[in-house]
Amino acid sequence: DVKVTQSSRYLVKRTGEKVFLECVQDMDHENMFWYRQDPGLGLRLIYFSYDVKMKEKGDIPEGYSVSREKKERFSLILESASTNQTSMYLCASSFPSYEQYFGPGTRLTVT
Amino acid sequence: EDKVVQSPLSLVVHEGDTVTLNCSYEVTNFRSLLWYKQEKKAPTFLFMLTSSGIEKKSGRLSSILDKKELFSILNITATQTGDSAIYLCAVVSGGYQKVTFGTGTKLQVIP
Repeated sequence: DVKVTQSSRYLVKRTGEKVFLECVQDMDHENMFWYRQDPGLGLRLIYFSYDVKMKEKGDIPEGYSVSREKKERFSLILESASTNQTSMYLCASSFPSYEQYFGPGTRLTVT
Repeated sequence: EDKVVQSPLSLVVHEGDTVTLNCSYEVTNFRSLLWYKQEKKAPTFLFMLTSSGIEKKSGRLSSILDKKELFSILNITATQTGDSAIYLCAVVSGGYQKVTFGTGTKLQVIP
C-alpha cells in the first residue's frame, strides 16, 4: 500500500512565524505536489516537484517555498505566515502520468 | 493558464437516481484526466483517462473522455447515500506533468 504521510494533522501558528510542513512518501514516486484546499475554491496547486532538487511553481506559489533534498520528502515552507494562509494543505505523490496518492492533510490555522 | 471547470457545482438527488457530472478543460499538452472522490478526508482515486471514447467502468461508476471537445463525464447509476461526496476532476499536462484540479461537484444523495 502506498503511504503518504504529513508531519501534522493540525497546526496553529502566529502571524509572522516561519512554518514547515513536511510530506513523506514510501513508493519511490518521482512527482510530489503541494495543494491547498479552501471551500468553494477546490484544490489549488502551490508547487510541485518532478525530481530531487527540482521544483516548479503551481498556480498560487506566492508566500510559499519548497524543498526537496531527498526523493521521498517534500517540504512546504511559509516564510512568514499570514492569516490568509489558513487552510487545509494536502500533499500528494505519483509516478509521472499516473494517479496521485494523497496524504491525510494538515489543517493550518494562522492567528 | 491551464483551466479545469466542473459542473454542476452541487447537486442533490434521491437514492436510485442516475447522475452525470461534467468536466471541461483547457490545458497545454494534455496527458491524462483523473477523477477523484473526496469525503471528509483526502481524495481517493476513481479513474484515469488518456484515450478518447474508451469508457472506464467500476461498478455503478463510469467515465469517458472526449479529447476533441476537451471534456469528460462521470456517470453514477442507482445512486446510494454512500455516494455523497465531492467529486474532483484533475488534468495532467505539460512536460513536467503538472496537475490542475477543478473546484469539484458536491453530490448529496438523500434517501
